[in-house]
Amino acid sequence: EAQVTQNPRYLITVTGKKLTVTCSQNMNHEYMSWYRQDPGLGLRQIYYSMNVEVTDKGDVPEGYKVSRKEKRNFPLILESPSPNQTSLYFCASSLRGVVAGDEQFFGPGTRLTVL
Amino acid sequence: AQSVTQLDSQVPVFEEAPVELRCNYSSSVSVYLFWYVQYPNQGLQLLLKYLSGSTLVKGINGFEAEFNKSQTSFHLRKPSVHISDTAEYFCAVSDQGGYSTLTFGKGTMLLVSP
Repeated sequence: EAQVTQNPRYLITVTGKKLTVTCSQNMNHEYMSWYRQDPGLGLRQIYYSMNVEVTDKGDVPEGYKVSRKEKRNFPLILESPSPNQTSLYFCASSLRGVVAGDEQFFGPGTRLTVL
Repeated sequence: AQSVTQLDSQVPVFEEAPVELRCNYSSSVSVYLFWYVQYPNQGLQLLLKYLSGSTLVKGINGFEAEFNKSQTSFHLRKPSVHISDTAEYFCAVSDQGGYSTLTFGKGTMLLVSP
């Protein structure tokens, strides 16, 4: 089944404790992206990747890191989480990317709480 | 940079009534436009998209949207809604051939009651 998977689905952590949220897709997509969703703010893009070893900042990149060492994986790293990063996070992928007008396929989301 | 405004945060409607969810965008270049739906506790899925050509776009579940370049709008419509259409709807825009970012509106919660 074609899908985007994220782990963990739920995470409660404390301020300053490094964490990684994994994202994997099995559709051989070139483009992958991370978003955060907050009430009343919609989805905001954190980082995106056009292909392996190619990443770039979205609208809200502060406090986050990403890497794209393999085509299928695009982990999101919070090296020193803070309470304002409490949010619902979505990973998404598409064949060629938004520039080509391709549909993005979304993962199920990761609900992160930073105490 | 592009931006999206969804004018209504919530739209209550009765079952079998028509509905229109409004979306306006801003961009200095040509754009691609999308509507995504998020059912409770789920990720987003694509309803429909406008890339070029006919300004009336049909999507899944009986939804359609009309691209109006002069009014920079991309309103979503359905002639008769069902309880199962209760969800949050997001309009999104990306610049053609420009930055590789997709900008979402803040969402409109469609509440369908019997």
